[in-house]
Amino acid sequence: EADIYQTPRYLVIGTGKKITLECSQTMGHDKMYWYQQDPGMELHLIHYSYGVNSTEKGDLSSESTVSRIRTEHFPLTLESARPSHTSQYLCASSELNRDYTFGSGTRLTVV
Amino acid sequence: QKEVEQDPGPLSVPEGAIVSLNCTYSNSAFQYFMWYRQYSRKGPELLMYTYSSGNKEDGRFTAQVDKSSKYISLFIRDSQPSDSATYLCAMSGYNTDKLIFGTGTRLQVFP
Repeated sequence: EADIYQTPRYLVIGTGKKITLECSQTMGHDKMYWYQQDPGMELHLIHYSYGVNSTEKGDLSSESTVSRIRTEHFPLTLESARPSHTSQYLCASSELNRDYTFGSGTRLTVV
Repeated sequence: QKEVEQDPGPLSVPEGAIVSLNCTYSNSAFQYFMWYRQYSRKGPELLMYTYSSGNKEDGRFTAQVDKSSKYISLFIRDSQPSDSATYLCAMSGYNTDKLIFGTGTRLQVFP
């Protein structure tokens, strides 16, 4: 039973389109994260949030932006999608410790 | 040099075998060590969580941390086809909860 939900699961979209990847969690966790995962590569942190109105960029530079208006919701937006944005995007949340709960991911393809 | 090194595999073993998965790391500040399991088209799920050096056992799974060698291992006893997945090591330091991931090792257990 998933406590963190990502939509859509798969998205194929044309270059230049604006997209928003949704992430919601029902556990009341303050900390939320976005990771990018490419085949054969490690997960790279692109954004994180420690609570409402708190957002920070991660270790991997990304053209995406995030917002955290509600505790349970942490959407990621790309204003103008490019083929280089093709990847899997994973959302995660955690409480006080380092026990992350991950969503199932959104596989984005930009054509 | 990557902070965390992990052999990507694939590792193919027969059912019932003992599997050994390993990661090495370079940052001596890492204190928390985790193993995640990721099935195809799913997000990672936490399998084992250890603090500092030592062993931790949970059913068929044993996690070992050797901080002096900067080396962590995950052993799977009596491996099952359902263990076929990608196994990711992850770690973090004392003053941060951001995780650094390995690239993952793909494991296939055949009947």
